[in-house]
Amino acid sequence: EVQLLESGGHLVQPGGSLRLSCAASGFSFSTYAISWVRQAPGKGLEWVSGVTGSGQTTKYADSVKGRFTISRDNSKNVVYVQMNSLRAEDTAVYYCAKEGSTTGMLGYYFDSWGQGTLVTVSS
Amino acid sequence: DIQMTQSPPTLSAFVGDRVTITCRASESISVFLAWYQQKPGKAPKLLIYRASSLDSGVPSRFSGSGSGTEFTLTISSLQPDDSATYYCQQYNSYFRTFGQGTKVEIK
Repeated sequence: EVQLLESGGHLVQPGGSLRLSCAASGFSFSTYAISWVRQAPGKGLEWVSGVTGSGQTTKYADSVKGRFTISRDNSKNVVYVQMNSLRAEDTAVYYCAKEGSTTGMLGYYFDSWGQGTLVTVSS
Repeated sequence: DIQMTQSPPTLSAFVGDRVTITCRASESISVFLAWYQQKPGKAPKLLIYRASSLDSGVPSRFSGSGSGTEFTLTISSLQPDDSATYYCQQYNSYFRTFGQGTKVEIK
């Protein structure tokens, strides 16, 4: 059974930093790209960032480019997102999601999701 | 970025009704469209990918159609468990975008 478990979300002040983790199990981890998708309170879904299965290619939404860095450790089956210069508008539940292709590339639908971790940016 | 527009924003229907949600893309996305169901406090769940392919374990009352810029999600016979918000998502590019959601309520 595919499982994705996010952690690391909590209250942080504007301008602060946070690192989220996504621990994966139940599938051949390095075969699949992984993305982060966020959902602000009461709002819709927004793709934030993704990393290919090999970890060599990363992509970012314009809203986070230059502030967030995604990475993965295939020896530990974990994906990270380092979030710097946080703003109030980054407040959201952050989900990690497995891309639906065995190519390991980005640019697909998301066939499995974690339960999410809440990031609150407030003074 | 490709903009995705869903309609209606909300709909209310009776158990057993046929329900249709529409999703329009700002440019052609071929058949690279997925549909998700999200219940309050839960993660989204994949229902349909490639516009019309049902994900494993999804009830057959759900179906998808369309190509290019216009797509539909149909629930053939609405069930109480279908009360949720539904999102479409394009994956014609790396920069995936979602519709704003359609909340389905049971009368």
